[in-house]
Amino acid sequence: NAGVMQNPRHLVRRRGQEARLRCSPMKGHSHVYWYRQLPEEGLKFMVYLQKENIIDESGMPKERFSAEFPKEGPSILRIQQVVRGDSAAYFCASSFGGLMNTEAFFGQGTRLTVV
Amino acid sequence: KNEVEQSPQNLTAQEGEFITINCSYSVGISALHWLQQHPGGGIVSLFMLSSGKKKHGRLIATINIQEKHSSLHITASHPRDSAVYICAVITQGGSEKLVFGKGTKLTVNP
Repeated sequence: NAGVMQNPRHLVRRRGQEARLRCSPMKGHSHVYWYRQLPEEGLKFMVYLQKENIIDESGMPKERFSAEFPKEGPSILRIQQVVRGDSAAYFCASSFGGLMNTEAFFGQGTRLTVV
Repeated sequence: KNEVEQSPQNLTAQEGEFITINCSYSVGISALHWLQQHPGGGIVSLFMLSSGKKKHGRLIATINIQEKHSSLHITASHPRDSAVYICAVITQGGSEKLVFGKGTKLTVNP
């Protein structure tokens, strides 16, 4: 049973390009979460999704960031027109029954560097 | 002031020592999670608590809902326990949003 798979592990983008981060949850998990960890800072919630639905996007910046979790395939976090301040580690996690009831399983993260 | 405060920020111990990391929160919660972030960056869930106490190997987590406080204990610490330990809460209100503490960096020397 593979864990949460994120790819790529490392991503370098020039300012103004688009970044696409992928997350495949654990088998059987329908709850997906994205978090961002800025250099030397703590983790911050970005978005919570279930299949085909965004449940809570209160942590997402209002512009340039979007997330989806389609019926088929991985969850995608998309950052358009990246800026240097987007450089961070982005972690995806999944759970079976929601975080009020079960543990979160984390991917290894995608480290985005904007040059 | 953060909703979730951890202490200490940094902790250095000798192998074999008993370790305690504290987490206090200022809001009503539905659940509390303890996470471990390895030096390489990967994050592992250690415990999910809503009341009482849980034990897994050398790790023990307790929570006191009335006092809004949780502790993570490590018995017989080992250098491989060196990591950042992060407390995170699900606040009451129905959201699945985790609110994180800033973490406690533990170094266990041989």
